[in-house]
Amino acid sequence: RKEVEQDPGPFNVPEGATVAFNCTYSNSASQSFFWYRQDCRKEPKLLMSVYSSGNEDGRFTAQLNRASQYISLLIRDSKLSDSATYLCVVNWGDSGGGADGLTFGKGTHLIIQP
Amino acid sequence: DTGVSQDPRHKITKRGQNVTFRCDPISEHNRLYWYRQTLGQGPEFLTYFQNEAQLEKSRLLSDRFSAERPKGSFSTLEIQRTEQGDSAMYLCASKPEGSGLGEQFFGPGTRLTVL
Repeated sequence: RKEVEQDPGPFNVPEGATVAFNCTYSNSASQSFFWYRQDCRKEPKLLMSVYSSGNEDGRFTAQLNRASQYISLLIRDSKLSDSATYLCVVNWGDSGGGADGLTFGKGTHLIIQP
Repeated sequence: DTGVSQDPRHKITKRGQNVTFRCDPISEHNRLYWYRQTLGQGPEFLTYFQNEAQLEKSRLLSDRFSAERPKGSFSTLEIQRTEQGDSAMYLCASKPEGSGLGEQFFGPGTRLTVL
């Protein structure tokens, strides 16, 4: 199922700053990509799906580069509440068959400082 | 609460004991997944079910681990002869039929500590 690599951080960023995370994945056949957010001792929750055309949700922008097998997340105007671990996630499954499951990166720890 | 639920939320056991965890997926979600997360790592896939059929098992799922979903609704994960290395958060997730490779919805997890 191969791997997902991301910088574990921590990233210490002042409130209001812009921060970018990147990750790479090794399975070129992967078809589905996500960023999940995980707060301390909580379950992962979907932040956003990632599409080849790039997508934006408020202050968050995600990009996918299939040729480079690279995924990014940009957070603008960061808030204290953005402090969390951000997990880069790839579904190694086959949309036409039964294979289905997520491979997670180790997560990037973000700390927004007042 | 109509989300994924897991029971118990915490379990402390002694090495060598058997433990069983339960997961109740979101109603009508036919796919159910188990993951394990250790400190400082992302979740790792263990196994998944489509209805009652177990379709994938990770090599992480040793012969001490068994998962069932007998009626295609709730699922159980049993660990026999627990070892200290089994200490982790066990996460369950579900998603509806027809969602392709889309979002999985996670439960709050069961935190296992093996002494």
